[in-house]
Amino acid sequence: KQEVTQIPAALSVPEGENLVLNCSFTDSAIYNLQWFRQDPGKGLTSLLLIQSSQREQTSGRLNASLDKSSGRSTLYIAASQPGDSATYLCAPNTGGFKTIFGAGTRLFVKA
Amino acid sequence: GAVVSQHPSRVICKSGTSVKIECRSLDFQATTMFWYRQFPKQSLMLMATSNEGSKATYEQGVEKDKFLINHASLTLSTLTVTSAHPEDSSFYICSAREWSVPNQPQHFGDGTRLSIL
Repeated sequence: KQEVTQIPAALSVPEGENLVLNCSFTDSAIYNLQWFRQDPGKGLTSLLLIQSSQREQTSGRLNASLDKSSGRSTLYIAASQPGDSATYLCAPNTGGFKTIFGAGTRLFVKA
Repeated sequence: GAVVSQHPSRVICKSGTSVKIECRSLDFQATTMFWYRQFPKQSLMLMATSNEGSKATYEQGVEKDKFLINHASLTLSTLTVTSAHPEDSSFYICSAREWSVPNQPQHFGDGTRLSIL
């Protein structure tokens, strides 16, 4: 059974800092991995999708890496802004194409 | 791009009422959809996998008779919370993937906030 752990659980930083959010998963037999953003009381916004054959993906100030063999992914946020404040969820897609979520990292960027 | 529409976005009803939530893939076909629930300040927990034309597959601990899932077409899955009680109050989200295209991401609806009084 896939288990996903995200560290840290919460993070508060001043505006402008570069951040690294960590995700580890127990079953490395994944098809791909997605990073999502969730604002309070809202649904999910897909940020990045990394295929199992890829090492990283970039979108704007976001960069996600994947080390499938070790069961790790990181999300790098450059030059953080107050608008980046949200919960970030790591979600590997595993057998049966189920998407299993980590508990998330709650990020607060102070102006 | 692919869009998943979920309706309604919010429901407030009395205890004992049955509530139906719809999940539609708007511009793609989805033979499989997924239903999740999320309690406040917790992550999303997979409830069941909805399979078009066959019975849903439920995760351990999810009551099949409580959460009825119907996937009657390639673009529509419904979740019915039967005889809802306050403990069923939660945020329910569906997702779908375009199966005909390999290596596609999961697309999520905007969720339904269910409040049982």
